[in-house]
Amino acid sequence: DAKTTQPPSMDCAEGRAANLPCNHSTISGNEYVYWYRQIHSQGPQYIIHGLKNNETNEMASLIITEDRKSSTLILPHATLRDTAVYYCIVRPYTGTASKLTFGTGTRLQVTL
Amino acid sequence: ETGVTQTPRHLVMGMTNKKSLKCEQHLGHNAMYWYKQSAKKPLELMFVYNFKEQTENNSVPSRFSPECPNSSHLFLHLHTLQPEDSALYLCASSQETSGSGRNIQYFGAGTRLSVL
Repeated sequence: DAKTTQPPSMDCAEGRAANLPCNHSTISGNEYVYWYRQIHSQGPQYIIHGLKNNETNEMASLIITEDRKSSTLILPHATLRDTAVYYCIVRPYTGTASKLTFGTGTRLQVTL
Repeated sequence: ETGVTQTPRHLVMGMTNKKSLKCEQHLGHNAMYWYKQSAKKPLELMFVYNFKEQTENNSVPSRFSPECPNSSHLFLHLHTLQPEDSALYLCASSQETSGSGRNIQYFGAGTRLSVL
């Protein structure tokens, strides 16, 4: 499995953009990048995923570098409710039900 | 509300007890998962069920016994647990399509288990 590297923690002021980086230098050509987040003591929540193009949805934007070795999750206007642990996951393509391997993620603290 | 419901939310049990955790998904998915999250550790996958068939057992001790009677329900039967089994147990489901690289898993809120 391709592994990911994320900073253990980040701070962001409320209302500002939160940019969460992820390195996945060993990613294979058919592997997707997924982002999930986990608010304290709750189950993880899917945010966004992508293969090679940048993606945007109502929660966030995902920017993937051209060589696909890294990506950035952008929360355009962070709120206190965005305080959570954010996981960047690379999923191997299998075509059947397969696991998501969670690392330790980035703990984002949004402050007033 | 994610469409995945876990009961109970909290459970305290002794090492000689037998209990079961229940998970139900209302999303029409065909795959279900059990994860364990111990304090200050990443989520660990325990079991995967695809179309009611177990497709992965991630070296889980036999004191944890999963059951998937249909695609909507998943149980985790617990017996003779140890204090180190205290953790948050999370259930997830997804719709798996052959040939697709997508996997969006939807998680329940979890069962917080304490083994005394």
